[in-house]
Amino acid sequence: EIVLTQSPGTLSLSPGERATLSCRASQSVSSSYLAWYQQKPGQAPRLLIYGASSRATGIPDRFSGSGSGTDFTLTISRLEPEDFAVYYCQQYGSSPELTFGGGTKVEIK
Amino acid sequence: QVQLQESGPGLVKPSETLSLTCTVSGYSISSGYYWGWIRQPPGKGLEWIGSIYHSGSTYYNPSLKSRVTISVDTSKNQFSLKLSSVTAADTAVYYCAQGTPAATDYWGQGTLVTVSS
Repeated sequence: EIVLTQSPGTLSLSPGERATLSCRASQSVSSSYLAWYQQKPGQAPRLLIYGASSRATGIPDRFSGSGSGTDFTLTISRLEPEDFAVYYCQQYGSSPELTFGGGTKVEIK
Repeated sequence: QVQLQESGPGLVKPSETLSLTCTVSGYSISSGYYWGWIRQPPGKGLEWIGSIYHSGSTYYNPSLKSRVTISVDTSKNQFSLKLSSVTAADTAVYYCAQGTPAATDYWGQGTLVTVSS
């Protein structure tokens, strides 16, 4: 079973700053099957990035994903007020199964 | 545009069976890659429960497998979740979703199910 560990647990930043979120897998993950989601309070998760680096439809270009193997990163180049939320990574495994990371909360400093 | 809507009781007694239905609109359920259930306990992260594929195959989270059944009713464009022998630890927001190996593309709005006597 692949475990996804997200860090940091909480990121305190100001609007306009750059956010770098990490997702580390316990074993190698196919980049094609690594996705990132944003979740705001009381809402369902929203797909941001699929295939580790492709933006979903309608996602602003300040969001970018990168990485391969066991280390993946979600970067928000300049935080907008609406970007303060919780972010999750997800991998699709071979069993097949879905695994989520524990989440990173991006909060206003 | 694919839309998913969960429905079912918001309160279930301990030891009973939780039953939820997801109604899909804007897309034929027999065409999707997989349809699944994901839950989120209050204040916690996301947990995959299981998925049913267009082939009819089902796959479940090993930690829940003995208690979970997911089924599809193509005539109603719905799929369902049954979780037996529930405890307070099963209290969560339950989401239905549609996805591919690349990502979980579409999510329902979620429904809170509380397990309490």
